[in-house]
Amino acid sequence: DGGITQSPKYLFRKEGQNVTLSCEQNLNHDAMYWYRQDPGQGLRLIYYSQIVNDFQKGDIAEGYSVSREKKESFPLTVTSAQKNPTAFYLCATQPASGGHYEQYFGPGTRLTVT
Amino acid sequence: RKEVEQDPGPFNVPEGATVAFNCTYSNSASQSFFWYRQDCRKEPKLLMSVYSSGNEDGRFTAQLNRASQYISLLIRDSKLSDSATYLCVVNRAHDMRFGAGTRLTVKP
Repeated sequence: DGGITQSPKYLFRKEGQNVTLSCEQNLNHDAMYWYRQDPGQGLRLIYYSQIVNDFQKGDIAEGYSVSREKKESFPLTVTSAQKNPTAFYLCATQPASGGHYEQYFGPGTRLTVT
Repeated sequence: RKEVEQDPGPFNVPEGATVAFNCTYSNSASQSFFWYRQDCRKEPKLLMSVYSSGNEDGRFTAQLNRASQYISLLIRDSKLSDSATYLCVVNRAHDMRFGAGTRLTVKP
């Protein structure tokens, strides 16, 4: 059963706490991405990784951190430094980086911080 | 100015109607183009790629005009199940740029 899994689907945290969102894929795709989506807005890129042990900041990386120790896994940590962490977080994969491939999305994690 | 711009809608149409969505992008170096569909509170899913020659998939037709930096999606014979938000997506070398989406509601 191939695909991208994100867990949990819903996550609630108190302000000031770090939280880690999981993203796992068994598609054997090289590139992985994290986006955030806010109501009425397009997806915004947080971080991406083209290969194991390498990752790059996207447009809104401040307050987030990632790791890519395995090809299958690309966890995102939302730190207490992120001013507005409540959002819908989407993980995506791409067969290889470059401009010609579509991306595939996981089901997302809806994070609420109060 | 946003890199990918779409009319946010909403578009409210009756079943059987034909509806067209437009999208413009600002980066002339963009390499590939897509339409994604996103249902309420779900992840985006690829609807179709967009080519300069135009491409059709059943009731859906996509067109790209590189000179004008313009992308379109035409849906014919709308179904209730077409109700969703349609995202215009432009792929640069290392990342994709997403429009905010156009919301479509098809009514009986």
